[in-house]
Amino acid sequence: DQQVKQNSPSLSVQEGRISILNCDYTNSMFDYFLWYKKYPAEGPTFLISISSIKDKNEDGRFTVFLNKSAKHLSLHIVPSQPGDSAVYFCAPWVVGIKAAGNKLTFGGGTRVLVKP
Amino acid sequence: NAGVMQNPRHLVRRRGQEARLRCSPMKGHSHVYWYRQLPEEGLKFMVYLQKENIIDESGMPKERFSAEFPKEGPSILRIQQVVRGDSAAYFCASSPKGLGLEQYFGPGTRLTVT
Repeated sequence: DQQVKQNSPSLSVQEGRISILNCDYTNSMFDYFLWYKKYPAEGPTFLISISSIKDKNEDGRFTVFLNKSAKHLSLHIVPSQPGDSAVYFCAPWVVGIKAAGNKLTFGGGTRVLVKP
Repeated sequence: NAGVMQNPRHLVRRRGQEARLRCSPMKGHSHVYWYRQLPEEGLKFMVYLQKENIIDESGMPKERFSAEFPKEGPSILRIQQVVRGDSAAYFCASSPKGLGLEQYFGPGTRLTVT
């Protein structure tokens, strides 16, 4: 049951260029889409989110785009910096269903390497 | 304000032994979630607890795994009779209101079964 897929396991990009991470999902009930960043030997940290009623959310160098008809979202990082080297997880979430709505469903992650 | 604490950070167990993983949520948080990350995979939800209650254990294996979050003290994830397939990183997250948007993760416990 793979509701969330990140089809690119890794991405290498030059410092200063754009990093584009993709995420596809199957469940049209998701209300929010979260992106988490994870460094080795640490827990995931929240990066940015987007509501299903929006198609774009921007926070500094990070922008997330949502295409509901295609069930696809992407995270853009520009300009990419060496400190952005990490694994990025897409994690959709359903609001409102008391028990099931509180868990996050994670994609497999994309490992980003930003080269100086 | 300390973040989510997990201990131990690394745990080695032989097959058949028991593993106990502890999670202390952030101050003021009464909702705890456990996730498991197998090598080269994403995190998979296991169980969601509030104080003294299991709310959702739909991701928990039916046998050998149990979780609790007592009125006092940390949340405990217990794995009995560990097998090699249990080797993974186990992450705990806490939130103040039980909302997916507000989950803060601990550093994880890496369990190795030999």
